[in-house]
Amino acid sequence: EAGVTQFPSHSVIEKGQTVTLRCDPISGHDNLYWYRRVMGKEIKFLLHFVKESKQDESGMPNNRFLAERTGGTYSTLKVQPAELEDSGVYFCASSPGGNYGYTFGSGTRLTVV
Amino acid sequence: AQSVTQLGSHVSVSEGALVLLRCNYSSSVPPYLFWYVQYPNQGLQLLLKYTTGATLVKGINGFEAEFKKSETSFHLTKPSAHMSDAAEYFCAVSVRTGGYQKVTFGTGTKLQVIP
Repeated sequence: EAGVTQFPSHSVIEKGQTVTLRCDPISGHDNLYWYRRVMGKEIKFLLHFVKESKQDESGMPNNRFLAERTGGTYSTLKVQPAELEDSGVYFCASSPGGNYGYTFGSGTRLTVV
Repeated sequence: AQSVTQLGSHVSVSEGALVLLRCNYSSSVPPYLFWYVQYPNQGLQLLLKYTTGATLVKGINGFEAEFKKSETSFHLTKPSAHMSDAAEYFCAVSVRTGGYQKVTFGTGTKLQVIP
């Protein structure tokens, strides 16, 4: 089966610009998660979708971040306007639920200059 | 709330030597425990997981980990390191919150294998 796909793999933008990250989960996985790793720090939870609904968005840093999941399929994470501290690797993961671990995508490395 | 502590942000071993990466967790309820690996320029890959049952868990690439409840530990081991094991390893704990898993990661340990 196809894995979790994220794109772009890398993005370099200027402070104040807008960037949209996309995640395509494994087909049939109702649960979709976004995580972020800032340089040298731990991988931190951002939010969790169950189908198209936001189950938990307690990790979203501020209102410059907007996540959507259209029709319970792919998800986008928009950062507008981007700040320097938003730089890091953004991971998406999906899970069918239950006792299964997540399947992660390869991440999007965002650099804000 | 759950948390994970990984001891040592960098670990170096010689090729053929034992690999031991340490992980301690904190959780108010029985946790699920995971080890993930990230190879350079790649995503996170699940190495192994503990949910219930046997406390010694075997994973891919010869790795294994033992869940020790009394020590709240889930250390990762491999008897003989290969050059290809050089990567960053993340311990993670998951508890069910609101009916769903919520995974919390440690800060990661970079493993260097010296020829």
